[in-house]
Amino acid sequence: NAGVTQTPKFRVLKTGQSMTLLCAQDMNHEYMYWYRQDPGMGLRLIHYSVGEGTTAKGEVPDGYNVSRLKKQNFLLGLESAAPSQTSVYFCASRAGYQPQHFGDGTRLSIL
Amino acid sequence: GIQVEQSPPDLILQEGANSTLRCNFSDSVNNLQWFHQNPWGQLINLFYIPSGTKQNGRLSATTVATERYSLLYISSSQTTDSGVYFCAVERYSGAGSYQLTFGKGTKLSVIP
Repeated sequence: NAGVTQTPKFRVLKTGQSMTLLCAQDMNHEYMYWYRQDPGMGLRLIHYSVGEGTTAKGEVPDGYNVSRLKKQNFLLGLESAAPSQTSVYFCASRAGYQPQHFGDGTRLSIL
Repeated sequence: GIQVEQSPPDLILQEGANSTLRCNFSDSVNNLQWFHQNPWGQLINLFYIPSGTKQNGRLSATTVATERYSLLYISSSQTTDSGVYFCAVERYSGAGSYQLTFGKGTKLSVIP
């Protein structure tokens, strides 16, 4: 049982480049979330989805876009990467009012 | 938004010692979770505890929702307990969603 899988695990970008982070879950969960973790800041919510075809903004949404075309996948996009977006990105999913399950994270560096 | 404060920010223990980590939150919440982030960066669910006390081996947690705090107890600490412990509280945010707000964590180092 894979749980929550994030792709890629590491990536280095140049300022202005674009990329998409993929989160896939095989637990048939309705809710999915994208967080970023910066040193000393804990995790902060970027965007979330309460079901296929829906997305909503979290605490720090600026500079990111998301899509949930399929229930099992939640994509996080950076259209024009900035050094301030250097971070570790975590995806999570949950079934209803249950604990969130987290992926192993994606380390993103923007030069 | 809701504020989550964890203390202490850093803790160094000798192997075998006991410790208590604290989480205070500023408003009523629907739920509370404790996580352990290991040195490889993985987030592990420890407890899902809106109120009361739960135990899992050497770890236990108590949440007193009416007083807006939770405690995580680690007994007979081991080097594998090292890492960062996060408290996260959950509130209903509308549109059918509950959102987690994380504290900044307690960094625990257990030395042999």
